Amino acid sequence: GAGVSQSPSNKVTEKGKDVELRCDPISGHTALYWYRQRLGQGLEFLIYFQGNSAPDKSGLPSDRFSAERTGESVSTLTIQRTQQEDSAVYLCASSLEAGPWGTYEQYFGPGTRLTVT
Amino acid sequence: KNEVEQSPQNLTAQEGEFITINCSYSVGISALHWLQQHPGGGIVSLFMLSSGKKKHGRLIATINIQEKHSSLHITASHPRDSAVYICAAVWADRGSTLGRLYFGRGTQLTVWP
Repeated sequence: GAGVSQSPSNKVTEKGKDVELRCDPISGHTALYWYRQRLGQGLEFLIYFQGNSAPDKSGLPSDRFSAERTGESVSTLTIQRTQQEDSAVYLCASSLEAGPWGTYEQYFGPGTRLTVT
Repeated sequence: KNEVEQSPQNLTAQEGEFITINCSYSVGISALHWLQQHPGGGIVSLFMLSSGKKKHGRLIATINIQEKHSSLHITASHPRDSAVYICAAVWADRGSTLGRLYFGRGTQLTVWP
């Protein structure tokens, strides 16, 4: 079946512009995660959605970052007034559910490479 | 300080060699994941384990809860195994984000023919 998809695959934007990144999780997956990977660095958590619960935004680096999810489907990560340090690959992952012990496999999308010039 | 530590950071091997990548973490994890990131950036989940050992083809993952340590082994390594291998832990008692992964910095593996 279809995996996690993300769009666009690449995005180049000018500093100060707003960008929207999209994630389509695997159908039926209730948990959705956004991660970021800056060049040469490790993965870092941004935000998490689980069903209809309030999202955990504890990883968002500033109030310029926000994300929404429609039910248990598409999610959009929005970055306002982009800065050069926002340049990174933004990865989305989904899992069947989060569960009390985090023991569900996460399926990653191909990522969106964002370059802020 | 990263709570999930991986070693080595870089690893070079000749085709056919046995590879070991190590991961250590602080107490109380509920699950540990091993991920593979290909040169193009795509990430694939290799293993998820909370105890014992799992095997898939030439890949073996083990975890020792008492020693707070996990290893990923690759037998008969091949150039196509060249990738970044990432260890990630899940703590069930850390707030509301169930299943959130805490990542190690990754191990860059290069296997030469």
